[in-house]
Amino acid sequence: AQSVTQLDSHVSVSEGTPVLLRCNYSSSYSPSLFWYVQHPNKGLQLLLKYTSAATLVKGINGFEAEFKKSETSFHLTKPSAHMSDAAEYFCVVTLPGWGGKLIFGQGTELSVKP
Amino acid sequence: NAGVTQTPKFRVLKTGQSMTLLCAQDMNHEYMYWYRQDPGMGLRLIHYSVGEGTTAKGEVPDGYNVSRLKKQNFLLGLESAAPSQTSVYFCASRTPGTSGGTSTDTQYFGPGTRLTVL
Repeated sequence: AQSVTQLDSHVSVSEGTPVLLRCNYSSSYSPSLFWYVQHPNKGLQLLLKYTSAATLVKGINGFEAEFKKSETSFHLTKPSAHMSDAAEYFCVVTLPGWGGKLIFGQGTELSVKP
Repeated sequence: NAGVTQTPKFRVLKTGQSMTLLCAQDMNHEYMYWYRQDPGMGLRLIHYSVGEGTTAKGEVPDGYNVSRLKKQNFLLGLESAAPSQTSVYFCASRTPGTSGGTSTDTQYFGPGTRLTVL
């Protein structure tokens, strides 16, 4: 079965320090992978996506993620956290022939301390 | 463009009552989806539609029905609400696009409907 595991339910960083949110996937096929962000009481916004092109994907707001097939990982990083980055982040996978259906990880809540 | 909109934003129901959630998109997208979000579980797919007049079951379809009579609208119905259906409901839409058979296009999400069933 295909699945997504976010390794941390909560991450806390100080403003200006690097952010690392970890995601591992399980798939028998070549997946497309996404990171979405959800600010409190808001909908979901796409940060970035991997669709079998470049393995290092750059997204909005300075975020990037690297697809590592050998490690089945798609970790999200940002060099310097900003207070506005505090939100919940979801790693998501979709697969061929699924009509675009998404499988979500459990989410990682990012806190940013001043 | 308004994107994806959801009506209502909040609702409180009593057990056994029925209601319909409306999702509308103005991007001419073929595919539409209904998800529910519960604490610590991410989003789970309830039902989806790959075009006007079509619907299909997702991961957690029990207790819900859907209809896609018009391309721009996707309705989610609860015939007899239960406390277990207390959740935040999100609608999403996208246009089909693939690369090597894998879906590539972004799903655009609505702002959500917060439903409480007492």
